[in-house]
Amino acid sequence: DQQVKQNSPSLSVQEGRISILNCDYTNSMFDYFLWYKKYPAEGPTFLISISSIKDKNEDGRFTVFLNKSAKHLSLHIVPSQPGDSAVYFCAARGSQGNLIFGKGTKLSVKP
Amino acid sequence: DTAVSQTPKYLVTQMGNDKSIKCEQNLGHDTMYWYKQDSKKFLKIMFSYNNKELIINETVPNRFSPKSPDKAHLNLHINSLELGDSAVYFCASSRGARTGQETQYFGPGTRLLVL
Repeated sequence: DQQVKQNSPSLSVQEGRISILNCDYTNSMFDYFLWYKKYPAEGPTFLISISSIKDKNEDGRFTVFLNKSAKHLSLHIVPSQPGDSAVYFCAARGSQGNLIFGKGTKLSVKP
Repeated sequence: DTAVSQTPKYLVTQMGNDKSIKCEQNLGHDTMYWYKQDSKKFLKIMFSYNNKELIINETVPNRFSPKSPDKAHLNLHINSLELGDSAVYFCASSRGARTGQETQYFGPGTRLLVL
């Protein structure tokens, strides 16, 4: 049973526009969330995180929003660049420190 | 100066063989993890070690045995390989576990194919 869900397997966006990647979770005890980016044949790379005490965290072109009541978070990338094309994983930190991942969303940014 | 390294990157072997995957981190982290990404692309935790002590052991067949000779290394030994073991195995490390909001850093992955 998936505790972290990314319901969109893929997303295509034009360069310069906003990319919005969504993630839902089921466990209200989760208190820390992370986004990872993964290129083919490489390991996931940490992108941005958010604690459950916040509803927004921003780092350059990347902003993560957390809606605790809806158990939903989203990653906004603006402006999107072709180099952002990758698979994006949403993750929640489990009670033992492990990460519980969603299935990933493949983002394609077209020039 | 790779932070988390894994060897080998690719591993092709026959069913029934025993193989090991090595992981090393030079970040000075205390906690290391093994994750498995299966054919459905799910990344799932297998094991976690903190200062050479096992702290997470998910429902993984006991053919899989992690070994941590020191806190910079966490190797994964797999006995009697089966077709279903084919996957990408990722090693990761973090400064601590349960100590707060620790970012995990991943290795490049080992692609295991069992024939």
